[in-house]
Amino acid sequence: DIQLTQSPSFLSASVGDRVTIICRASRGISRSLAWFQQRPGEAPKLLIYGTSTLQSGVPSRFSGSGSGTEYTLTISRLQPEDCATYYCQQLYNYPVTFGGGTKVEIK
Amino acid sequence: EVQLVESGGGLVQPGGSLTLSCAVSGFTFSDHYMDWVRQAPGKGLEWVGRTRNKTKSYTTEYAASVRGRFVVSRDDSRSSLYLQMSSLRTEDTAIYYCTAITLIVDGAFYMDVWGKGTTVTVSS
Repeated sequence: DIQLTQSPSFLSASVGDRVTIICRASRGISRSLAWFQQRPGEAPKLLIYGTSTLQSGVPSRFSGSGSGTEYTLTISRLQPEDCATYYCQQLYNYPVTFGGGTKVEIK
Repeated sequence: EVQLVESGGGLVQPGGSLTLSCAVSGFTFSDHYMDWVRQAPGKGLEWVGRTRNKTKSYTTEYAASVRGRFVVSRDDSRSSLYLQMSSLRTEDTAIYYCTAITLIVDGAFYMDVWGKGTTVTVSS
């Protein structure tokens, strides 16, 4: 199975800050990576697929990049509504796996 | 509007069985692969299993943790997805989400539509 390790597991930042979350895969996943946002009490929401393509309706302050085994999610200017847990997910092979999550808090 | 509505969750004893359903509307259900994903209380997301469409002979895939105990099935005539769970364990306690894959990019199948989930509690 491909393991996904996210870092940090928790971060606290101020409104307007630039925030970066890293997702490392145990082996190469050929950019078959998605990012999800999950607000408390809600279902996960797809933010980014194919490493860097923004899902329709997602604000442009979110961006994704990476290749091989290392991928990043960046929020360019953190907003109060970005308070959530973020998960990466690999679709390269079975079983589909998720990272452990990064909880983002607003200071 | 695309909607996925799960039902069938509840309290069940260890060793028991339960079947979850997911009613789909707003897109052509029969065309798409469908997945189940779960989330234990206070924990992260765990993929459970997948059913492919008729073109792919409704074949299925499962996480090792549920293989042999859970069965993913579908009824295209009812636009419904099912998860038959048996030999349930306390560690199966979770919110179970139904997800649809309508986004396929470079051979990867992305879960872009999610239901709100149904809660399963396995406890004596």
